Amino acid sequence: GNSVTQMEGPVTLSEEAFLTINCTYTATGYPSLFWYVQYPGEGLQLLLKATKADDKGSNKGFEATYRKETTSFHLEKGSVQVSDSAVYFCALSDPTEGNNRLAFGKGNQVVVIP
Amino acid sequence: GAGVSQSPSNKVTEKGKDVELRCDPISGHTALYWYRQSLGQGLEFLIYFQGNSAPDKSGLPSDRFSAERTGGSVSTLTIQRTQQEDSAVYLCASSFGAGPNQPQHFGDGTRLSIL
Repeated sequence: GNSVTQMEGPVTLSEEAFLTINCTYTATGYPSLFWYVQYPGEGLQLLLKATKADDKGSNKGFEATYRKETTSFHLEKGSVQVSDSAVYFCALSDPTEGNNRLAFGKGNQVVVIP
Repeated sequence: GAGVSQSPSNKVTEKGKDVELRCDPISGHTALYWYRQSLGQGLEFLIYFQGNSAPDKSGLPSDRFSAERTGGSVSTLTIQRTQQEDSAVYLCASSFGAGPNQPQHFGDGTRLSIL
């Protein structure tokens, strides 16, 4: 079956630090990959996506590259701000299922300290 | 507003009662999804609608859970004889279609607490 694995535990870092959140996946088909973000008190929002190997998704200074050879889609940002504090979810959908349902990782809480 | 609307935002009920959760998708979105977010299980898919039909109900955890969609728009998720393990945030999402390039837009969720 399809699954997504995110690194364990919250991430705490200082403003302007470099952020990496690891994400790896298992899929029977050729999935599309996503990062969703949930800011405090708000709903899930799509942050970025990539639909084929070597594609790079980017938005709001965040980037992630679809790596088929390592089945990974790590999220990076070069200089975080306090406003980036949120929970980040990696997700995939398998087009062969025909319904675009999302399988999510457990999420990572990111706390940026001023 | 133009986003996905869910109601109620919070629901507290006693074990054994039935509950109905409502989702109003973005106008024109044919695909509608229900997910559940709980501490132990993370975010789990429950059911997918295309129009009024539900071709994928594989995520519903038991026969106490059911959902319907009418007029290709509003959907209700019903949980009968609620149990404490049903406590979670129930999220609804909609998209213009069901292809990989059609992003899902999420509502703010209904936080369900079973006493």
